[in-house]
Amino acid sequence: QVQLVESGGGVVQPGGSLRLSCAASGFTFGSYDMHWVRQAPGKGLEWVAFIRYDESYKYYTDSVKGRFTVSRDNSKDTLYLQMNSLRTEDTAVYYCAKGVAMFSAWGISHDAFDVWGQGTMVTVSS
Amino acid sequence: DFVMTQSPDSLAVSLGERATINCKSSQNVLYSSNNKNFLAWYQQKPGQPPKLLIYWASTRDSGVPDRFSGSGSGTDFTLTISSLQAEDVAVYYCQQYYTTPLTFGGGTKVEIK
Repeated sequence: QVQLVESGGGVVQPGGSLRLSCAASGFTFGSYDMHWVRQAPGKGLEWVAFIRYDESYKYYTDSVKGRFTVSRDNSKDTLYLQMNSLRTEDTAVYYCAKGVAMFSAWGISHDAFDVWGQGTMVTVSS
Repeated sequence: DFVMTQSPDSLAVSLGERATINCKSSQNVLYSSNNKNFLAWYQQKPGQPPKLLIYWASTRDSGVPDRFSGSGSGTDFTLTISSLQAEDVAVYYCQQYYTTPLTFGGGTKVEIK
């Protein structure tokens, strides 16, 4: 079945780094745009980053620009989020999510998310 | 940024009754070139990731029960649950995908009265 599985979360001190992974299965990963979305404890959803199916475009929310880097390896069906200079306000469950349309058919980054992983918790604390 | 404002923050509805959730965008999400509203609705149950219910403001995703419907255009949208079931207890979010940053509403918690 179509599935996304995140890993790599944990507890890190402010200023530290983590690399999240999202393993995809059950669909042609390389044909779909992918996103990272986070949810702070008890809070709502916040979009974090986008990467086009062919890595030709990447977008970020302002609060993570210059600190987070999204990438993908289509040969391994895996999405990544490298998070550097972490802050306490980055504490959240991080979800990877798949865009609905193949090959950016709705437009670059114009996505609703039809498949979500279970999420991985990132805690930034001293 | 497009600000998505949902109302109410929470509502309690009797089983079998109608639940209505509103979502207002600070800017128009209707794309003139294809006449589509770039607006989606999600359901999130406790301890679970969100689930896509509706996209293009009114198109149900595969497998979503037809008691869920979406309506509206431009800046004002509504999610309606026509006959609330126990399994519909959740938080519901709207999301615009017209432009980055993609943004979500603050969520509406639906409970059983």
